[in-house]
Amino acid sequence: DGGITQSPKYLFRKEGQNVTLSCEQNLNHDAMYWYRQDPGQGLRLIYYSQIVNDFQKGDIAEGYSVSREKKESFPLTVTSAQKNPTAFYLCASSIKGPNQPQHFGDGTRLSIL
Amino acid sequence: AQSVAQPEDQVNVAEGNPLTVKCTYSVSGNPYLFWYVQYPNRGLQFLLKYITGDNLVKGSYGFEAEFNKSQTSFHLKKPSALVSDSALYFCAVRVDYKLSFGAGTTVTVRA
Repeated sequence: DGGITQSPKYLFRKEGQNVTLSCEQNLNHDAMYWYRQDPGQGLRLIYYSQIVNDFQKGDIAEGYSVSREKKESFPLTVTSAQKNPTAFYLCASSIKGPNQPQHFGDGTRLSIL
Repeated sequence: AQSVAQPEDQVNVAEGNPLTVKCTYSVSGNPYLFWYVQYPNRGLQFLLKYITGDNLVKGSYGFEAEFNKSQTSFHLKKPSALVSDSALYFCAVRVDYKLSFGAGTTVTVRA
């Protein structure tokens, strides 16, 4: 089945530690996105990429980094500079174009030990 | 700034009754509007979209949405709600290459 796979489902981070969240898609979509979800705040865009080897900052990029070396993969690193990383992280992908819906993975829940 | 607002944090209805989840938008130009649903600890699932054309858009799982340009609204509707429709619903508007989401509305359908 085609879809988006995020791993791990749950992740724990110690203070001062960087962690990387995986996102893989087999939908052959050009565009990929990372969102952060906090209770009562909807989704906020962290980074997005419309093509391999290119990505742009979203609304809350500070403390995060990404790479897009392959079309299928868009990993997100939560660095130690992100002071409040506890959240639900969602990856999405879409065909390029303003009227194309985004397809979401099932998320990674990150917590601080 | 282009955005959407969901004025109700929660909506409660009885099974079999009509369900409406409200969304208003603020955009310059023609809006591209979307509705998504999220079940606990899952990602968002696409329900429907408005691009242009008919003001009544039909989507997945029996949902539909009514686009009203004069009221700048895009309310989600279902004629007869099911207990399994209980979930978190998000309205979103396309802004450049991104989606801007509302804060979400929690729908509870009681048996």
